[in-house]
Amino acid sequence: AQSVAQPEDQVNVAEGNPLTVKCTYSVSGNPYLFWYVQYPNRGLQFLLKYITGDNLVKGSYGFEAEFNKSQTSFHLKKPSALVSDSALYFCAVRALNTGFQKLVFGTGTRLLVSP
Amino acid sequence: EAQVTQNPRYLITVTGKKLTVTCSQNMNHEYMSWYRQDPGLGLRQIYYSMNVEVTDKGDVPEGYKVSRKEKRNFPLILESPSPNQTSLYFCASSSLDRKNYGYTFGSGTRLTVV
Repeated sequence: AQSVAQPEDQVNVAEGNPLTVKCTYSVSGNPYLFWYVQYPNRGLQFLLKYITGDNLVKGSYGFEAEFNKSQTSFHLKKPSALVSDSALYFCAVRALNTGFQKLVFGTGTRLLVSP
Repeated sequence: EAQVTQNPRYLITVTGKKLTVTCSQNMNHEYMSWYRQDPGLGLRQIYYSMNVEVTDKGDVPEGYKVSRKEKRNFPLILESPSPNQTSLYFCASSSLDRKNYGYTFGSGTRLTVV
């Protein structure tokens, strides 16, 4: 079975500081990994994905994520947080060798960036 | 603009009154899916479709129906809504091509059943 864990319900960071939103996953075989962001009263927007290749993936709005196979993690990072980054962030996973039935999502992490 | 369009954005209805939430995509995606989002539970899949006339249950299909008569449309039907179906619903679509795989989401439908 596939699963995703986002261990922090909320992450607080000051503007200008680096941020990390954590994600660990469990799949059989190699994973597709995704990060999505949800702003208030909006749908989920794609940030970045990992399928194969370079373990460091760069995405939208200056975000990046590092795939770590040994730790089964895919943490989202940004060197310098903005107040406008405050939102709900979801990590999602699907095994490469399974059907396209679904992405499995974590429960989400709320990021609050203070001025 | 490539997008997934859901309607309505907000809906308040009474228990037992049939309703349909529409979903349409303009990207010629084969795959479409419905999720519901509830606090503390994240997103849970209701139904999905791999192509026209091909649909299957997700993790929480009870009380819902779907149809896929055209490639672009994937409506969600609640035949007899109940208060436990009060939730935020998202439609998503994706190409099945491995390189382009990844969901595009609609803006969501906030449903309240009283």
